[in-house]
Amino acid sequence: NAGVTQTPKFQVLKTGQSMTLQCAQDMNHNSMYWYRQDPGMGLRLIYYSASEGTTDKGEVPNGYNVSRLNKREFSLRLESAAPSQTSVYFCASRQDRVQFFGPGTRLTVL
Amino acid sequence: RKEVEQDPGPFNVPEGATVAFNCTYSNSASQSFFWYRQDCRKEPKLLMSVYSSGNEDGRFTAQLNRASQYISLLIRDSKLSDSATYLCVVNGEAGNTGKLIFGQGTTLQVKP
Repeated sequence: NAGVTQTPKFQVLKTGQSMTLQCAQDMNHNSMYWYRQDPGMGLRLIYYSASEGTTDKGEVPNGYNVSRLNKREFSLRLESAAPSQTSVYFCASRQDRVQFFGPGTRLTVL
Repeated sequence: RKEVEQDPGPFNVPEGATVAFNCTYSNSASQSFFWYRQDCRKEPKLLMSVYSSGNEDGRFTAQLNRASQYISLLIRDSKLSDSATYLCVVNGEAGNTGKLIFGQGTTLQVKP
C-alpha cells in the first residue's frame, strides 16, 4: 500500500514552459487535493476534487489546471510556468476528515 | 488577518521539557480541528485531531476553546525526535468538501 505518490520529486523549468505534476492514491479515497507551500506561509489549496469527475478551485487557482483522470489519479498542470510558481507542491487524498499527503514535488521556475 | 494564526517560533527547549503551542482561527463556523506534524522537507502528517472535550495521545494533549477560537497543543517530556514544525489546521467551510486551512506552522527544536 503506497498511499499517495507524486512524480516528479524535483523539477526545474524555464519561464513559459509547461509541465504536469502527477498524483496517484491507492486508498480508494473519493476526494483529492493539490496544495502549494511557500516559505513563511501555510499550505494553500490550489484545486480539489470531491469525487471522480468533479474539480473545483481553491484559494490560489490562477495559472493552474487540473484533471481528475479516474478515482486514483489527480494531475496538476502548469501551462506557462512563471517564477512565482516556484514552490513545493503537495497532493493529498481524504478519508473521513483526515487528509493524507504525498511526498511533494519541488518545482523551481527560472 | 490570517484565517489560522500561529507563532512561527522557533521554540528551543531542552529534552524533557514541557512546551505548549497555541493557534487562533477566525471562522467561528469551523467544525474540524487538527494538528499536523511536518519534518524538514517532508510532507505533513496527522499528529492528532482536536475534539471539543480535549484529547490526549501519550505525551501530547490537544485542547479546543471555541469561545475564544483557539486550539492548543501541549507536549510533555520532549524528545529529540519531537523536533519538527507543527501545523494547526482547521476546516475551511461548512459541508463535506474537506477544504482545510493551514497555519504557517510553529517550529520546535528540542536540544540535548
